[in-house]
Amino acid sequence: QQQVKQSPQSLIVQKGGISIINCAYENTAFDYFPWYQQFPGKGPALLIAIRPDVSEKKEGRFTISFNKSAKQFSLHIMDSQPGDSATYFCAGLFGNEKLTFGTGTRLTIIP
Amino acid sequence: DGGITQSPKYLFRKEGQNVTLSCEQNLNHDAMYWYRQDPGQGLRLIYYSQIVNDFQKGDIAEGYSVSREKKESFPLTVTSAQKNPTAFYLCASEQLAGSTGELFFGEGSRLTVL
Repeated sequence: QQQVKQSPQSLIVQKGGISIINCAYENTAFDYFPWYQQFPGKGPALLIAIRPDVSEKKEGRFTISFNKSAKQFSLHIMDSQPGDSATYFCAGLFGNEKLTFGTGTRLTIIP
Repeated sequence: DGGITQSPKYLFRKEGQNVTLSCEQNLNHDAMYWYRQDPGQGLRLIYYSQIVNDFQKGDIAEGYSVSREKKESFPLTVTSAQKNPTAFYLCASEQLAGSTGELFFGEGSRLTVL
């Protein structure tokens, strides 16, 4: 089974700080790397995604950094806010195969 | 509103009983998926279907069954054979043609076995 390893499992960040979640993948054929955000009691929703032909993608306060040679990618949340408190999942996809999800990171932003 | 509707939101069952979780989508998506979510284990794929009247096992299909008689509906039955059924169950859909790879999730059904 192709894996996506995600760390840390939980993260506490002070309001205004930078939250960083890391993922590593094994399948070099992956060509799509999304991040999903899940609030308590809700289903996940796509937050931001990147393809391996770029090293970084930014949308507002959310940035994906991608390192193809290291087979790693990370999510950075700048100026973290209490409303960002959620569980975040990274994932990898190849072609028409099924998404392979990481194990999730529970992010808590404290005042 | 377009989206995925899961019901019930909460369900309690006694050991030995089968239960069926409903999932309906009005997005006209081809593919539908069932995931199980447990703390610290992420999202694990139970079953998926890319076309009506066809479905495939995911990584943890044992003790579960599905049907896809209509494009918009993909119910999941948790059978008494599932040894540890207490979990949060998520249904998702995806448009395959011209797909961006984005899954659209419902709000989930929380099953508790008493």
